Amino acid sequence: GQQVMQIPQYQHVQEGEDFTTYCNSSTTLSNIQWYKQRPGGHPVFLIQLVKSGEVKKQKRLTFQFGEAKKNSSLHITATQTTDVGTYFCAGRGYQKVTFGIGTKLQVIP
Amino acid sequence: GAGVSQSPRYKVAKRGQDVALRCDPISGHVSLFWYQQALGQGPEFLTYFQNEAQLDKSGLPSDRFFAERPEGSVSTLKIQRTQQEDSAVYLCASSLAGLESYGYTFGSGTRLTVV
Repeated sequence: GQQVMQIPQYQHVQEGEDFTTYCNSSTTLSNIQWYKQRPGGHPVFLIQLVKSGEVKKQKRLTFQFGEAKKNSSLHITATQTTDVGTYFCAGRGYQKVTFGIGTKLQVIP
Repeated sequence: GAGVSQSPRYKVAKRGQDVALRCDPISGHVSLFWYQQALGQGPEFLTYFQNEAQLDKSGLPSDRFFAERPEGSVSTLKIQRTQQEDSAVYLCASSLAGLESYGYTFGSGTRLTVV
């Protein structure tokens, strides 16, 4: 079945440093979504990427979808304490949306 | 409503007890999904409805798990004879269209603890 791997599982950064999380699928995806889950909260939709090689930006966040539509990344520039949380990618294959394990980001002030 | 509403927020069940978890999706959202999230893990797919039709239930871990959405709006996830491994947060999500087009809006979840 479809598997979505995400690395790293944990990341500690100093406030102001950059952060990147990577997502890889075992199968070609129709699209990929990214979610953020704050501690004690629920996943909140950030963005969806559909096209091969697509790049989207939301302020300090940059999302990329690989050319083969099997991998994706989320990059945060100059992290802030408000960026703390777990970032999940969710890849849509044939029928299902499969979530990665998430990358838990801690920002040290 | 403004968001996806789930109840109860917390549920403690004795092993062997039946539980029912409710999800009230955003009005007009056609698609509804149930996910199970264990501590430190990503959400795991359980089942998917489009209106009242359950189109995919392949993620339900056993026949003790049952979900319904009889009128295409509110959905209930029922777990019979709960076991300790059922302890998790159960998330409901809804979206405007089918699987392909839109991001999901999640509810706050029901944290189930089986003792």
